[in-house]
Amino acid sequence: RKEVEQDPGPFNVPEGATVAFNCTYSNSASQSFFWYRQDCRKEPKLLMSVYSSGNEDGRFTAQLNRASQYISLLIRDSKLSDSATYLCVVNGAGAGSYQLTFGKGTKLSVIP
Amino acid sequence: DARVTQTPRHKVTEMGQEVTMRCQPILGHNTVFWYRQTMMQGLELLAYFRNRAPLDDSGMPKDRFSAEMPDATLATLKIQPSEPRDSAVYFCASDRDTGFGEQFFGPGTRLTVL
Repeated sequence: RKEVEQDPGPFNVPEGATVAFNCTYSNSASQSFFWYRQDCRKEPKLLMSVYSSGNEDGRFTAQLNRASQYISLLIRDSKLSDSATYLCVVNGAGAGSYQLTFGKGTKLSVIP
Repeated sequence: DARVTQTPRHKVTEMGQEVTMRCQPILGHNTVFWYRQTMMQGLELLAYFRNRAPLDDSGMPKDRFSAEMPDATLATLKIQPSEPRDSAVYFCASDRDTGFGEQFFGPGTRLTVL
């Protein structure tokens, strides 16, 4: 089983749609979870951290299910500018471990 | 606006040549990472340093790759000799060692080995 797995997509959605991405991870001892965004031919950038209680940032909602080792990202009211690849990222096990393992990403295209 | 910088941004070279990529982390960041990204493998960690000391380079092919941090403002990744399978985008990233996991990436070096 790969360490971090994502549906590669592409997800093609109309403006205004709600879209959800899922991710599973294999290391049950993982401590921290993130979603990064990568625009075409650019570097990855942190979109949001994912907390056990779930967290929201504007149109974006992230959820973590430790029991199922599952992370999700929900985007509401999609904008054209949301078109990008979304990378699910998991920190290594143990305090002080700074190794991030990246999923291969899910590509989103928001169409007018 | 503090940023990670990388040079060169693009590099085309022939198989067997030496390639050196440079990275300047954000001032005050004490952890530096080198990643490689390809379509097939995605983003892979090659090596990382904390306070200039190499902590893990298990992701790096040892026979041809080497990574160093000669000082706090410069990290280098060298490939010698280069091979066509090394063609990829190489990213450098840094963070403040806060444990919160936000790594700041440079713009990458797009390497093509012919």
